[in-house]
Amino acid sequence: DAMVIQNPRYQVTQFGKPVTLSCSQTLNHNVMYWYQQKSSQAPKLLFHYYDKDFNNEADTPDNFQSRRPNTSFCFLDIRSPGLGDAAMYLCATSGPRQGENIQYFGAGTRLSVL
Amino acid sequence: QKEVEQNSGPLSVPEGAIASLNCTYSDRGSQSFFWYRQYSGKSPELIMSIYSNGDKEDGRFTAQLNKASQYVSLLIRDSQPSDSATYLCAVTGYSTLTFGKGTMLLVSP
Repeated sequence: DAMVIQNPRYQVTQFGKPVTLSCSQTLNHNVMYWYQQKSSQAPKLLFHYYDKDFNNEADTPDNFQSRRPNTSFCFLDIRSPGLGDAAMYLCATSGPRQGENIQYFGAGTRLSVL
Repeated sequence: QKEVEQNSGPLSVPEGAIASLNCTYSDRGSQSFFWYRQYSGKSPELIMSIYSNGDKEDGRFTAQLNKASQYVSLLIRDSQPSDSATYLCAVTGYSTLTFGKGTMLLVSP
């Protein structure tokens, strides 16, 4: 089945140690999103790609970076994780045309920072 | 700033009852409206989308939209314990989604 796949499902890192989360999709969607969700809070959009065009939310910390090497893959890099970055990170896709706003989510990666 | 408001709950209903979940939004330009279900520790799962005023039914779920009142709701008929989850309302114009914080629904056997 076509889907959005996130790896790993659980990630433990140390304070300040860079970490990369990955997302792949077989839906051939042109828009990919990264969200951060903390307990009992709404998913918070960090950034999204429309094809290769990168769109950063104004309040996304510089500590968070993203790469999209091709249509299928997107990565979230946290350069120096702090304790406050412990959260569920969700990847989502939509498409194939901008305006078709149904977003399909991966299973998420739960990040712990020690 | 675009806002989506939901009562955080929990909303408790007995098995077999109708659960009614409500959401209001601030952006009058919003075009698309979604309800996602999120089980604890899991990712959001789309259950309903609605784009025009009125009702949209899918199985036990009915979404209702009133753009004049900036209000969208979700009715769950014949609620089951497996419906116990957090329900996220999400709203968009032509770009990104704005999510509410969600309403926790508890269905007791």
